[in-house]
Amino acid sequence: EAGVAQSPRYKIIEKRQSVAFWCNPISGHATLYWYQQILGQGPKLLIQFQNNGVVDDSQLPKDRFSAERLKGVDSTLKIQPAKLEDSAVYLCASSHNWQAAGETQYFGPGTRLLVL
Amino acid sequence: AQKVTQAQTEISVVEKEDVTLDCVYETRDTTYYLFWYKQPPSGELVFLIRRNSFDEQNEISGRYSWNFQKSTSSFNFTITASQVVDSAVYFCALTGSMDSNYQLIWGAGTKLIIKP
Repeated sequence: EAGVAQSPRYKIIEKRQSVAFWCNPISGHATLYWYQQILGQGPKLLIQFQNNGVVDDSQLPKDRFSAERLKGVDSTLKIQPAKLEDSAVYLCASSHNWQAAGETQYFGPGTRLLVL
Repeated sequence: AQKVTQAQTEISVVEKEDVTLDCVYETRDTTYYLFWYKQPPSGELVFLIRRNSFDEQNEISGRYSWNFQKSTSSFNFTITASQVVDSAVYFCALTGSMDSNYQLIWGAGTKLIIKP
């Protein structure tokens, strides 16, 4: 079974530029998560999808971040315009169905973003 | 409020030594799940184990073992005969309640360094 796929693996941009990350979850997983991980910290949830609907985006900085999962499979996270503090690893994860307590989240390799 | 504490920021041992990573949690839920993830330098979060609150049996998987004690709200992880490949950051996590969409509550992580 293929794992969670993410691209690109690395991205370097200048502040005020825009960037987009792509994620393809494990086949059959209805729930998809985007996390931001600052160096030396645990992951911080940005947004949680169930199929093509948003379950929670309370921690997504909506003035600059946006995410979509239009067909309920793969997803895109965008930052526009980027700030220096957005430098982090962006992790995508998926699980069968968040509504079943204790569902295991499986993570992709992440995208390392450096904003100069 | 739910919380996960990993008091050990960094542990350094020589190869073949045994090492225990501590995890203490707080929750008012009677049903909950605990997880351990490994994050090697490559950045991907690798799922290691999931334990539900009703199963206090210790788990062993090769050189890895986990000790779950509800009486002390701890879920500790021991690596026996450590190897250089075990070097990584290890995260302990707890499921939140349904009110929080069962989102994971993460510890700050413990960086494990295995010296040859």
